[in-house]
Amino acid sequence: DQQVKQNSPSLSVQEGRISILNCDYTNSMFDYFLWYKKYPAEGPTFLISISSIKDKNEDGRFTVFLNKSAKHLSLHIVPSQPGDSAVYFCAAKSPGSSGSARQLTFGSGTQLTVLP
Amino acid sequence: DAGITQSPRHKVTETGTPVTLRCHQTENHRYMYWYRQDPGHGLRLIHYSYGVKDTDKGEVSDGYSVSRSKTEDFLLTLESATSSQTSVYFCAINRDGNTEAFFGQGTRLTVV
Repeated sequence: DQQVKQNSPSLSVQEGRISILNCDYTNSMFDYFLWYKKYPAEGPTFLISISSIKDKNEDGRFTVFLNKSAKHLSLHIVPSQPGDSAVYFCAAKSPGSSGSARQLTFGSGTQLTVLP
Repeated sequence: DAGITQSPRHKVTETGTPVTLRCHQTENHRYMYWYRQDPGHGLRLIHYSYGVKDTDKGEVSDGYSVSRSKTEDFLLTLESATSSQTSVYFCAINRDGNTEAFFGQGTRLTVV
C-alpha cells in the first residue's frame, strides 16, 4: 500500500503560468516532506522541503504548501519555465529510532512539461 | 554537487550471475542508501547504512545484500541476478539522517 501518492503521472503547463503538483499521504507519523526534481539520466536533486509544524515554505519561484488535516501537500512553481520540465517526486520522512536513517518514502512522480 | 560516484553507470548481465554496484562518497556522510527506480513506483529503498558495518533492510531488500567496510563506500550485491532486478539504481547520502539526501547519477542495470 503506497503511503505517498502522486495521482497525476503527467502535467502540461504553458510557460509563464503556474504549475501545481500534488501529493497525498496516508501515514500521520510523517513529519517532514520534500520535493525532488529529476531530469532524464540524472539522479534526483533536492528542491524544497517543509516541516510538519509549518503550512508553507517558499524559495524563489517554488512554494510548498502542507495541509495536515487533509494529508496533502502541493508544490507551486510560478512562473513556470521550460527548464522546469522534469519528473517531480514528493517524499516524506517519519521520526526514526536511534541509529536509523529516517527513511524517505517516495511517491511515483509527476512528469511536468512546460510548453514554450 | 555532492561528491557521490556510482559505478558502473550501465551494466548488462545474464540471469543467475552475481553483480556488485558501488557507491563512493567524498563527503564523509554517515548515512548511505540504495534505492531502485521503476515506472509507477517512484524510488523504493533497498538497504541503508548508518555507519561502517551498520546496515539495515529497506522496503524491497529481497535478493540484495550490502556491505560498508569504509565510510566512503557502500556496495550493493545481487547474489544471483533476476530479470525483475532490471532497474535504475540510485545511491544517496545524508549527513545526519534528518536533512535532505543527495543522490548519485544512477546505474542502469539490465538483466537478460
